Parts: sequence; C-alpha cells; structure tokens
Amino acid sequence: GGIITQTPKFLIGQEGQKLTLKCQQNFNHDTMYWYRQDSGKGLRLIYYSITENDLQKGDLSEGYDASREKKSSFSLTVTSAQKNEMAVFLCASSIGTTNERLFFGHGTKLSVL
Amino acid sequence: GEQVEQLPSILRVQEGSSASINCTYENSASNYFPWYKQEPGENPKLIIDIRSNMERKQTQGLIVLLDKKAKRFSLHITDTQPGDSAMYFCAASSNTNKVVFGTGTRLQVLP
Repeated sequence: GGIITQTPKFLIGQEGQKLTLKCQQNFNHDTMYWYRQDSGKGLRLIYYSITENDLQKGDLSEGYDASREKKSSFSLTVTSAQKNEMAVFLCASSIGTTNERLFFGHGTKLSVL
Repeated sequence: GEQVEQLPSILRVQEGSSASINCTYENSASNYFPWYKQEPGENPKLIIDIRSNMERKQTQGLIVLLDKKAKRFSLHITDTQPGDSAMYFCAASSNTNKVVFGTGTRLQVLP
C-alpha cells in the first residue's frame, strides 16, 4: 500500500505571511488535489494536477498558488494569510487521469494569528 | 455550473433504523459519484461509489442510487449502528477529473 504525507501537520502563521504546505505520495498516482476544509464543513477544491507540471484551478484558487514539481509531490502556497483564518488543508491523490477514488492525507491545520 | 448540493446537513436516527442522504449535481457531464466517510480527527475515506452506467449499487449495508435524468444520487445506510456516526460527503466528477464535493452530512446514530 501507499501513503500520502502532508507537512507540516500544524502551521501557525502571521497575517499577510506567505505559507507553503507540502504533500508527497508514494502510490505513483497521476492526479493530485488540494482541498480546504473549514470546521465541520465540506471540502472545497483549490487546485488539482493530472500530471507533473500540470495545474488546474478549482473553485477556491484565488489567494493560492500551487506547484506540481514532480509526479510524487504537490505543494500549495497561501499567498497572503488572512487574520484569524483557521482551516484544514487536505491533499489527495488518485490513480490515472480518469475517475477513480481519492486517497487523502491527514491534513495540515492552519491557524493565522 | 459544477456545484453539488447535499442534504440534510445534520441527520439523527435511532440505532437500527435507516439513514438517507441526498445529493444533486449540475454538470450533466458528471459520470462518477463517490461517497466518503470522515470520522472525527480522521481523513475522508471512500465507502462506496457508482458510475453513470449504473442506477443502483449495494455493498455491506450501503445502497447508492443514481437518477441521471434528475441529476440526483443518494446514499442509504440500512440498520445503522453507532459506528456509522460520522460526516458523510458525496462528490461528483467528469472526465476532467475535477472532483467536486457536497457540503457534508453529519450523521448521528442515537442509542
């Protein structure tokens, strides 16, 4: 079996700060995703990527950048952290470039002071 | 549009009864409809999925129904147990591989 590793697990930032979240998968999956989950709420798609160096915008891409440096890694940057922002960012991957199940990482919990 | 609506947001049922969650989607090109369960402090995990070439699928106490004409799909949990208490998310995707999630249902199974 494979695993998705998100780092860091907890991230505390300052208002206006640029923050980077990292995700690694060893499934050899083609497609990777970044979702934001606010407390007790649904998952909103920020960016996804169907192959190395590919980038597709989700519904929540404003305020974020992403980079698929290689097949196994997908990073997300919060370009300017918002005061009192608190959310969990979930990375996921799926095999192939057509519809298959997502495997999720355990998330990065962001708090902005 | 590509929104997925999910209802109800909170569902309380008695242990042993059934629970139903409904989702509607906008994108007529959607052809894959997974359901995920998320327990407190955990990541979402796939519990069942259905593709557009099927109308019904059943596995281990879970039933999913798909009505493509109405752009509606639903999850039915039969004989609910305390371990079924969790957040449930529906999702829809098309061949672009963009997976859009519903807003979630918090299921509480009462003893």
